[in-house]
Amino acid sequence: SQTIHQWPATLVQPVGSPLSLECTVEGTSNPNLYWYRQAAGRGLQLLFYSVGIGQISSEVPQNLSASRPQDRQFILSSKKLLLSDSGFYLCAWIGEAKDTQYFGPGTRLTVL
Amino acid sequence: AQKVTQAQTEISVVEKEDVTLDCVYETRDTTYYLFWYKQPPSGELVFLIRRNSFDEQNEISGRYSWNFQKSTSSFNFTITASQVVDSAVYFCALSEVPAAGNKLTFGGGTRVLVKP
Repeated sequence: SQTIHQWPATLVQPVGSPLSLECTVEGTSNPNLYWYRQAAGRGLQLLFYSVGIGQISSEVPQNLSASRPQDRQFILSSKKLLLSDSGFYLCAWIGEAKDTQYFGPGTRLTVL
Repeated sequence: AQKVTQAQTEISVVEKEDVTLDCVYETRDTTYYLFWYKQPPSGELVFLIRRNSFDEQNEISGRYSWNFQKSTSSFNFTITASQVVDSAVYFCALSEVPAAGNKLTFGGGTRVLVKP
């Protein structure tokens, strides 16, 4: 069966520090991968998605970037965090059927 | 462009009451998927149901039921005999078929609070 992992689960970082969040999927090949952000009490905002290794599409201009170094690995990064980067970051995947997105447990990021 | 509207931001009920969550969507495509996800306090989004635009049959799964009406562009969700564990934020979403990257358009979510 397929599973999705995200780490870390929680993170507290100072403003201006770098960021690296990791997402990995098991049990599937060539998934589409997605990064979402959810600000406190708000809806879901799609940040990036990838349909294959090295292929990244950005949905919202910001100081974040994404990379997909391996088929089932998706990384969200920042060189310098802003206060506004605080939020809940969710990774999702969609398999070969390309019909349903399944979400990981999320990373709660607080920038102080 | 597609749009999903969940007009109810928060609903509060007492345990065992029924609760219906409204979802209205807009799309120019004739082929699309509709979804409901549940987000409990832990934060993870849990997939509940996917509906194909060609399948207007209502569906029931335990205490959950869904009413899809293409004529009114609505995909409503009812929880029967609500329980405290149903307390969560529920999101309705739309995906056009085919769609670049198979992206989802989410509604703003409805927070359901079930009181004992």
